[in-house]
Amino acid sequence: DIQMTQSPSSLSASVGDRVTITCRASQGISNYLAWFQQKPGKLPKLLIYAASTLQSGVPSRFSGSGSGTDFTLTISSLQPEDVATYYCQKYNSAPITFGGGTKVEIK
Amino acid sequence: QVQLVQSGAEVKKPGASVKVSCKASGYTFTSYYMHWVRQAPGQGLEWMGIINPSGGSTSYAQKFQGRVTMTRDTSTSTVYMELSSLRSEDTAVYYCARGGLYCTNGVCYDVGLFYFYYNGMDVWGQGTTVTVSS
Repeated sequence: DIQMTQSPSSLSASVGDRVTITCRASQGISNYLAWFQQKPGKLPKLLIYAASTLQSGVPSRFSGSGSGTDFTLTISSLQPEDVATYYCQKYNSAPITFGGGTKVEIK
Repeated sequence: QVQLVQSGAEVKKPGASVKVSCKASGYTFTSYYMHWVRQAPGQGLEWMGIINPSGGSTSYAQKFQGRVTMTRDTSTSTVYMELSSLRSEDTAVYYCARGGLYCTNGVCYDVGLFYFYYNGMDVWGQGTTVTVSS
């Protein structure tokens, strides 16, 4: 199975900072990658699919990039409501696998 | 509005089985694949498998092969996930999540090729807590 490795596992940044989360696949997955946000005690929420397509209703400060094995999720200007754990997900074939998550906190 | 409503919390003894339901509304039930994802306390997300509500075909994560069964009832727009031989490590929140069209413009791809029209898991059930304890 393809493994998804996220880094860092956690980060602390100030409001307004640019935040970048990395996800690496153990094999190439083209652009079959999604990103999810899960706030404490809440459901996962789809942010991005096809590596860079923003889901409807998601603020434009979120963006995704990458193809093959290396992907990034960027928050251009961190807001207090962005405190959450972020997961990447590969879906080029079964099984779907998630990265281990990146916990984002406000400094 | 589009929503998925799951059954209530369960407490089971080791070795027992649990069956969780997920009722869909607000969209054409047979048009979208349904996934099951679980999350153990304080842990990340784990994909369990997928069902095509149209024909009932399934694909399961190898980890759960032989222990999980996903079914659907098109008359009530409900999918089910049954997990047997429960152990303490199965204590988790179980989610159903809609993800991926089955057909577009008359071209259909079954579970093995679910990713063709997959644009992420865009609607999630509220989660069902399953606790396995003696």
